[in-house]
Formats: sequence, structure tokens, C-alpha cells
Amino acid sequence: GNSVTQMEGPVTLSEEAFLTINCTYTATGYPSLFWYVQYPGEGLQLLLKATKADDKGSNKGFEATYRKETTSFHLEKGSVQVSDSAVYFCALFLYNFNKFYFGSGTKLNVKP
Amino acid sequence: EAQVTQNPRYLITVTGKKLTVTCSQNMNHEYMSWYRQDPGLGLRQIYYSMNVEVTDKGDVPEGYKVSRKEKRNFPLILESPSPNQTSLYFCASSHRRGDQPQHFGDGTRLSIL
Repeated sequence: GNSVTQMEGPVTLSEEAFLTINCTYTATGYPSLFWYVQYPGEGLQLLLKATKADDKGSNKGFEATYRKETTSFHLEKGSVQVSDSAVYFCALFLYNFNKFYFGSGTKLNVKP
Repeated sequence: EAQVTQNPRYLITVTGKKLTVTCSQNMNHEYMSWYRQDPGLGLRQIYYSMNVEVTDKGDVPEGYKVSRKEKRNFPLILESPSPNQTSLYFCASSHRRGDQPQHFGDGTRLSIL
């Protein structure tokens, strides 16, 4: 079936540390890939996206590259800040099903 | 301001008492959907709608109903709520193209006693 798998959290880092949150997917078809961020008490907000293989999405210092060969879309940031503390969701959209699939979310805690 | 508005934000109710959670968007989006968020499970899609009068089941539709009589509104109906429907619910909308990101509401926390 179609699914998204994320690394389990929480992930705890010190400020200015390097961040990687792993995301892999299984999909029948050619998906678009997204990272969403959820701050406490709020809905999800789009962080970045990629629509085809080898595309790199980027925003606010975060990056992720669409790797078709490894079916992955790992999120990275070179230097995290306390304000990056949130839950991060990897997601895909399948055109042939008209559906979105989300991972279980990874909570990031950044300490000063 | 572009937004997706859900109401109520919080609701505590009892088993079997019908309830409706409203969702409205002002962006003229064709695609709308409902999700529930549960710890360790992430977001799971309940129902989605491609356009007016076009709805389809997501991954967890049991116990829910939806309607799409107008483009801007997409209410979620729980005809006979049960405790296992206690959850955080999100409505989202996007343009029909699948590579367009979804805009989410702020969520509705339902507690079914």
C-alpha cells in the first residue's frame, strides 16, 4: 500500500546543531512530496515541497531532495534554532488516488 | 486573508449525540479534506472532496459523513459519536492539482465521553 515512514522522535538537539529527519515512502505511482511543520496549538503549515525526482525543496534554511532511487525525502538544516522546535510531518500526494498520505510526525526539541 | 476556518475549536460531548464540525475556506479551492491526528499515528485522511458534490473516502471513513454542497464549505458529521472518535481534527484545502500544498485550519479537539 501507500505510506510514509518517518524516524521516531523526539529528536533533541542543541542550538546550531545539524538536523536530519529521515523520511521514506512507498507509493504506487509518482508522488509529489512535502514537509509540513506544526507548532504547538496550531495547524500544519507547508515548509517545503518537491514535485519530481532530484528536485530540491528549500525554505527557512531547511532542505530536502526528492530521491526516487531510494524513495526518500530527508529533511535537513545546517544550524537549528530554538524557534525550530515543532513537529515535522513528511507527506506525499498521489495523483492517481487524489489522496494525501502523512507520516506519523517527528517532534524536534531544540535547547539553547 | 487566506484561511481555513473550523468550528468549534473544542467540544466535549457524549456518546451518541450527533455533532457537526464546520469547515470553510475563502481561497476558491477545489480540493478539501478532513484528517484526524492521533498520537503516534500522524494524520490520517477521513474524507476528501474534489469539488462540489464530489466526495470520496479516505483511509479512516468509518463513523463519519461529509457533504460538499458549496465550494467553500465542507462539514464533517458524526451521526453517532463514540469514544474512539476522540481526537484532534483538521480540515484542509488546496487547488485541485496535487502538487499544490494544502492549507490547514487550526484544528478541532473533540472529546467523546
